[in-house]
Formats: sequence, C-alpha cells, structure tokens
Amino acid sequence: EVQLLESGGGLVQPGGSLRLSCAASGFIFSSYPMTWVRQAPGRGLEWVSAIGGSDGSTFYADSVKGRFTISRDNSKNTLYLQMNSLRAGDTAIYYCAKGVCDRGMDVWGQGTTVTVSS
Amino acid sequence: QSVLTQPPSVSAAPGQKVTISCSGSSPNIGKNYVSWYQQVPGTAPKLLIYENNKRPSGIPDRFSGSKSGTSATLGITGLQTGDEADYYCGTWDSSLRAGVFGTGTKVTVL
Repeated sequence: EVQLLESGGGLVQPGGSLRLSCAASGFIFSSYPMTWVRQAPGRGLEWVSAIGGSDGSTFYADSVKGRFTISRDNSKNTLYLQMNSLRAGDTAIYYCAKGVCDRGMDVWGQGTTVTVSS
Repeated sequence: QSVLTQPPSVSAAPGQKVTISCSGSSPNIGKNYVSWYQQVPGTAPKLLIYENNKRPSGIPDRFSGSKSGTSATLGITGLQTGDEADYYCGTWDSSLRAGVFGTGTKVTVL
C-alpha cells in the first residue's frame, strides 16, 4: 500500500524550531518529487516547498524562504522539513504529498499539526 | 494571497452539474498543467484531476477537467451528497518558481 506518514509536529514558541518528517512506503521514493503543503486553521491550502526526486532541486514559497529547509534521505525513504524562526503565522496542519502541484500530487499523508504560540 | 482565483462557493441539487473556475495568468496556468483536489473538512486533500484533464484510477468520470489559456475548469456531473467538500486547483508558477493553489471553492448539494 502506498502511504505517507508525517511526524514531528507540536507546540513551539515563536522563534523556535521544529523538524517534520514524512515516511514513505509502497513506492520507489527516490523516483518522485515530493511536496509540503500546509493549511492554517479555517484557511485554504498553501504550497510550502518541493524537492526533486533524483536531482534534489529545491523550491520554496516566499513566506518560508530563508527559514525552512526541505530535504530527503532516499536511503530511508523519508522527506524532511526543517523549520526555523517559527512565527504565529506558521501555525497549520502540514501535509507531505507525492508529486508536484501541476502534474498532480496523488498521495497525501494524514498531516501533522504545528502550533506556534507562547 | 493566492495567484489563482476560484469562486468561494457553488451549489446545485442532487443529480445536477456544477462547474468551478480557476483563473490565473500567463506564468502559471498559461504555461503549466493544472491539477484539482477535493478536501472533505477534517481530512487530507485528494487528487481528482491531473495534467489538466486526466483522472487518477478510482476517480469517477463524473469529474472532468479542462484548460483554456489562463483559466481552468472542474466539472462535476450527477452531483451527489458525498461531493460536498472544498475544491482547489493547483499549478506551478514559472515566474515565482513555486507551486500555487487556488483560493478554494465550497460545493454544497442542496
């Protein structure tokens, strides 16, 4: 079964850091680009970051550029999102997804909740 | 603020048809494929349409997608109560070098 499982969310103070993980199974992880998408409470979907499959090229939304880093470990079938200098506006459910926004993200994790508050 | 604009809501009776528009511009919809997602509140999004008009396995042909110029459209025919959800379009923006989603549309079955 193709599956994505996020972890690492939680409550963090403004200015703090968190690292999200997304464990993939059921497909050849290294062959696919991967994406992080977030959804603030009561709001729509927001694209956060993406990483290429083989070349590892990375892309970021302006709202997180310079603060967040996407990476992947193909030997562990795991996607990461290192989040630094967190702000209240980063509070959201964070989803990892297989694929990219235009060609279609066909598998999604269940999401992990990040709350930034003092 | 999203670069892709969708109507906030659409509604129709069971069995009827609805269409959802997604308006963008040259760097995004004008140059790239469009995908569509369904999200039932409290659950993860689900891919409905990819590469403008293709349906993943398991998605019924009641769902269709099209693209023309800088706009895309999702159509849902034979509306069912289970179709009540939020729908989002998505694409790549070649100027921003980033993915973008639409503002989202809530579908209500009357």
